[in-house]
Amino acid sequence: NAGVTQTPKFQVLKTGQSMTLQCAQDMNHNSMYWYRQDPGMGLRLIYYSASEGTTDKGEVPNGYNVSRLNKREFSLRLESAAPSQTSVYFCASSGKWGTGSQETQYFGPGTRLLVL
Amino acid sequence: GIQVEQSPPDLILQEGANSTLRCNFSDSVNNLQWFHQNPWGQLINLFYIPSGTKQNGRLSATTVATERYSLLYISSSQTTDSGVYFCAVAGRGSTLGRLYFGRGTQLTVWS
Repeated sequence: NAGVTQTPKFQVLKTGQSMTLQCAQDMNHNSMYWYRQDPGMGLRLIYYSASEGTTDKGEVPNGYNVSRLNKREFSLRLESAAPSQTSVYFCASSGKWGTGSQETQYFGPGTRLLVL
Repeated sequence: GIQVEQSPPDLILQEGANSTLRCNFSDSVNNLQWFHQNPWGQLINLFYIPSGTKQNGRLSATTVATERYSLLYISSSQTTDSGVYFCAVAGRGSTLGRLYFGRGTQLTVWS
């Protein structure tokens, strides 16, 4: 049981390049989330998917797109990277029904992205 | 969105000391979680505690929802407790998973 996995761990992009961050969970969770963390800040929600087939914007969605590929996978795409998107990106999942704490979120290890 | 304030922003303790971290929030919540981010960046959920009190080993947490605050207690601190502690909440009426994070408390435990 790997929990939440993210790829890649590190990435350097030039301004204007595109890339997709991958996230997968093996806990049969219904909901998945993408956050970004900037220095000295807490995490801010970019997009979330409450269930397979649905996605919604969070606090800071501009410049990003997402795809809930299936129940396990939730990807984040940067179409034209900008230096302001330099950050650490975390994927999370929740919704393990029947445990009594089904809204507890479990986080992946993060992707460190540098945009030059 | 809902505002989350954590205090203190920084805390330095000698091993064995006790500490209390506070989280204030601006509106009624239906979800409150405490997380620990270790020095390697990994986020680990400590408690899911929208109300009441829970304990897990040397850690315990209390949320007084009517007064809009939560406390995280760390007893007999160890160097492995170092890192950043985040409080995150979701407001009533919002999607349960839409968490708003505070800026965290940076804890350093020295031996």
